[in-house]
Amino acid sequence: ETGVTQTPRHLVMGMTNKKSLKCEQHLGHNAMYWYKQSAKKPLELMFVYSLEERVENNSVPSRFSPECPNSSHLFLHLHTLQPEDSALYLCASSPGVSSTEAFFGQGTRLTVV
Amino acid sequence: LAKTTQPISMDSYEGQEVNITCSHNNIATNDYITWYQQFPSQGPRFIIQGYKTKVTNEVASLFIPADRKSSTLSLPRVSLSDTAVYYCLLSDSWGKLQFGAGTQVVVTP
Repeated sequence: ETGVTQTPRHLVMGMTNKKSLKCEQHLGHNAMYWYKQSAKKPLELMFVYSLEERVENNSVPSRFSPECPNSSHLFLHLHTLQPEDSALYLCASSPGVSSTEAFFGQGTRLTVV
Repeated sequence: LAKTTQPISMDSYEGQEVNITCSHNNIATNDYITWYQQFPSQGPRFIIQGYKTKVTNEVASLFIPADRKSSTLSLPRVSLSDTAVYYCLLSDSWGKLQFGAGTQVVVTP
């Protein structure tokens, strides 16, 4: 248990569906992150939030839309995804964006059909 | 961020010491060396971090030579549960974590 909780753990969605991934941390951290991990590929940093403000967006397609309503919660809204978007989506938090120790959640295994 | 290079895989037997060396020839002055561990279908977990010389905690040791162009993660007396992917990362004062392919360590009885 890392203190970072992601729901759901597994998600299957059609290409026309809209779904959201949720991440929650009660570690008192100020920075939160979304990573994508595809099969046999390194983790890719998608978004970085610091104190609820997005500070980094690594050229992620607009079909992925993050939301950070407060420092404890982070969402990733998904719409009109493609099969190649199937991956493990990982949320992480850290005390601040300058911290090198991040705490990761268990991830959401997403399958787009 | 400077790139890191580490072996794709390593095999070991239970009870042995496993040493994973990571090359980072272009490491910057401000970069720290950080290692993470990842089990299948789970998020990575921070193991250890260092800047120079040697760092030891309850899980592992990290050896960094004076030129800092490489580092070695040492896992003492591994068990089956140490089978995982181990990532070597460089992170600067902004803390940006850039993961590479990692090293798949397989421990067998």
